[in-house]
Amino acid sequence: QKEVEQDPGPLSVPEGAIVSLNCTYSNSAFQYFMWYRQYSRKGPELLMYTYSSGNKEDGRFTAQVDKSSKYISLFIRDSQPSDSATYLCAMTPRLYGNKLVFGAGTILRVKS
Amino acid sequence: GAGVSQSPSNKVTEKGKDVELRCDPISGHTALYWYRQSLGQGLEFLIYFQGNSAPDKSGLPSDRFSAERTGGSVSTLTIQRTQQEDSAVYLCASSYPGQGGNEQYFGPGTRLTVT
Repeated sequence: QKEVEQDPGPLSVPEGAIVSLNCTYSNSAFQYFMWYRQYSRKGPELLMYTYSSGNKEDGRFTAQVDKSSKYISLFIRDSQPSDSATYLCAMTPRLYGNKLVFGAGTILRVKS
Repeated sequence: GAGVSQSPSNKVTEKGKDVELRCDPISGHTALYWYRQSLGQGLEFLIYFQGNSAPDKSGLPSDRFSAERTGGSVSTLTIQRTQQEDSAVYLCASSYPGQGGNEQYFGPGTRLTVT
């Protein structure tokens, strides 16, 4: 079993829809949780990171962490065609000096 | 340059040949990471350098893989006697611990194809 599980999709939604992306994990030591966005033929770029359980909002993006369920989510409101990309969750026990453990990534397609 | 750069962007090699992949991190970033991304897979950690400390090599899949970082800046990932299963995108990232979130900034990757 992988440490981090993520539905690979693809997920196809109409423009303006609310998108929900999710990951589950098995390692209770994970404390820091990130979401990266990766466009085709590009390196991943950090969208958001959260520490421990709770919510964090940034514009159209909201990240949620539920450590008791070992479940994290990224919500995208008012999705745009430019949001079409692969979304990768990543997590780590310590913020500094530690590798990130990634999910496989979910391919998102927003249709105009 | 402003970001992490990697070269070459694409590399096609024959099985059994050695390859070298280069990463130029963001100036001033003391931490450097190598990851591998295979088709349909997430990023797999390979190796981590932090300043002058001994690197964390725990992710290297075999002794055919090695990496070095010269002068705390440029890094080279070497794969000896390449195999077809080494075909993947090799991504480099750098960060500056102490920066909010210790964000890892990724380069565009080197797409390696072993024929």
